[in-house]
Amino acid sequence: DIVMTQSPDSLAVSLGERVIVNCRSSQSLLYSSNFKNYLAWYQQKPGQPPKLLIYWATMRESGVPDRFSGSGSGTDFTLTISSLQAEDVAVYYCQQYYSSVSVSFGGGTKVEIK
Amino acid sequence: QVQLVESGGTVVQPGRSLRLSCAGSGFMFKDYGIHWVRQAPGKGLEWLAVISYDASNIFYADSVKGRFIISRDNSRNTLFLQLTSLRPEDTAVYYCAKDRGNGYGWGLLEFWGQGTLVTVSS
Repeated sequence: DIVMTQSPDSLAVSLGERVIVNCRSSQSLLYSSNFKNYLAWYQQKPGQPPKLLIYWATMRESGVPDRFSGSGSGTDFTLTISSLQAEDVAVYYCQQYYSSVSVSFGGGTKVEIK
Repeated sequence: QVQLVESGGTVVQPGRSLRLSCAGSGFMFKDYGIHWVRQAPGKGLEWLAVISYDASNIFYADSVKGRFIISRDNSRNTLFLQLTSLRPEDTAVYYCAKDRGNGYGWGLLEFWGQGTLVTVSS
């Protein structure tokens, strides 16, 4: 099974500052036949279900503000919020779907306002 | 618009069974794989199972294999999760989630229901 590890567990950032969340997988998520990384990011606000933010490691879901971006390849990935807004307070999860029949999530990163 | 509505969550004693339902609407339910994911109180997300569009392919997480059964009724646009031999550590919010890819799916969970709470306690 593919193990996903996120860091940090939590962080507090001032409004308008940049947020960086890291995600590492135990094996490469880059599929050689199509050069796509099978990595997604989800946002979960308190009391709500997760919401898909980013897929294929870098593609923003429709309607997601462009301050959210994803980067990385292989086993190391990053979610960046370029300028933190109050509505971005949430827990962020990375997820691998390289193994579509046994997907797995990172442990989550809680983002708060300093 | 796409809607997934889970139901069936309740308080149940250890060792008992429970069936959860997930009603889909706003999309061609019969064409998509659907997943179950749970979240224990204050914890992260745990993927449980996936069923392909026609129920021909079913996969489980090792943690629930042999105790949970996923199924679907495309005539009723409904997904099910049968939980058996329940343990206190099964206490969680259970979500169903629609896969982006049609057919057997990609494993990308593009839309989630609001979840239903299962509490296992004596």
